[in-house]
Amino acid sequence: GAVVSQHPSWVICKSGTSVKIECRSLDFQATTMFWYRQFPKQSLMLMATSNEGSKATYEQGVEKDKFLINHASLTLSTLTVTSAHPEDSSFYICSARERGISYGYTFGSGTRLTVV
Amino acid sequence: DAKTTQPPSMDCAEGRAANLPCNHSTISGNEYVYWYRQIHSQGPQYIIHGLKNNETNEMASLIITEDRKSSTLILPHATLRDTAVYYCIVRVAGYSTLTFGKGTMLLVSP
Repeated sequence: GAVVSQHPSWVICKSGTSVKIECRSLDFQATTMFWYRQFPKQSLMLMATSNEGSKATYEQGVEKDKFLINHASLTLSTLTVTSAHPEDSSFYICSARERGISYGYTFGSGTRLTVV
Repeated sequence: DAKTTQPPSMDCAEGRAANLPCNHSTISGNEYVYWYRQIHSQGPQYIIHGLKNNETNEMASLIITEDRKSSTLILPHATLRDTAVYYCIVRVAGYSTLTFGKGTMLLVSP
């Protein structure tokens, strides 16, 4: 089946630095990828939707200049958390939709970000 | 997308069937019912989806009431590895996003 690889699985960074998270669709082309954030004991909250070759669409309340999303190819999307602060510590999850498959949402394994 | 209501938690004995209910009384005719689950500290995993007919796959069965206002996900023989948060999501087929509610925390015990 479809596989989405997310890297790294966990990262610790210092406050004020930037962190990049990669999301790759391994065996299918993903025209659309989604980025979610999940705080402890809460549900997944959609941050943004990215389409290959175009700018990402951010959900209300998500700072586009802080959470930079690049979807340069049909198999790779990246999320960069810029000038990270402790409140950005969270579980970040990407999801990819396979081209031509309306119901096929495959999720990555998530990235645990801790900002110290 | 229509809103769903799920119990916050359920318990199930290992080897028994787990029946997870979901209420979606405002579902529209073109909205599907999807089920995903999330094991602790992992990404969500697709389980099954359906429109109005009952569905079955290798993981589970989905029973949708005739009026489509509620559904039940059935794990026929629950194992400890089925302990997870189960999300019932209603959405129009196509290319809209998945919106997650709070889900049901299923705890399977020996």
